[in-house]
Amino acid sequence: DTGVSQDPRHKITKRGQNVTFRCDPISEHNRLYWYRQTLGQGPEFLTYFQNEAQLEKSRLLSDRFSAERPKGSFSTLEIQRTEQGDSAMYLCASSWGRRTDTQYFGPGTRLTVL
Amino acid sequence: EDQVTQSPEALRLQEGESSSLNCSYTVSGLRGLFWYRQDPGKGPEFLFTLYSAGEEKEKERLKATLTKKESFLHITAPKPEDSATYLCAVQYAMDSNYQLIWGAGTKLIIKP
Repeated sequence: DTGVSQDPRHKITKRGQNVTFRCDPISEHNRLYWYRQTLGQGPEFLTYFQNEAQLEKSRLLSDRFSAERPKGSFSTLEIQRTEQGDSAMYLCASSWGRRTDTQYFGPGTRLTVL
Repeated sequence: EDQVTQSPEALRLQEGESSSLNCSYTVSGLRGLFWYRQDPGKGPEFLFTLYSAGEEKEKERLKATLTKKESFLHITAPKPEDSATYLCAVQYAMDSNYQLIWGAGTKLIIKP
């Protein structure tokens, strides 16, 4: 068990470009979550998967954001036509999927949009 | 509205000076309360889960307690390496998607 991993750790892009992030959850965890975090705030929920099914997406999430989890393993988060307001830390977490279970986080991807 | 509030926003202590961080919540039907530690530029690291009022959990210099409306994270004789932001999150029974509601965190600085 090597923990949740995310790639890349840092991404700098120009406004209007598309970016894609990858998350590899802890093996055997069937739930996977994406969060966004800005300085001085707690994580903000974006979306989550139960196996390969995307069960919920934040109403605050723009249509420019899309996530996938093919085959219920790793997940990708894509942001199209990036804006400066998208600059943040993007966090991935995974859990077993029990009634009350603990989410384990990856190291995050720091996105800077110039 | 369901809410989680952490206080203080920041806390500066001398090494060895014990104190407590507070997490108050207004969610109805608590399913679980979680404490995480976050170092700058890293993802949150899990510390504790508390399920019911009266429950306590300990790990090294940290002890978490839970009442019906709040949780405390007590830190005893802290060391500089305990410096971090401590985040609290709650999961409530009415949410079938088991989402977490997060506080903004308390930034703890321990001076040698």
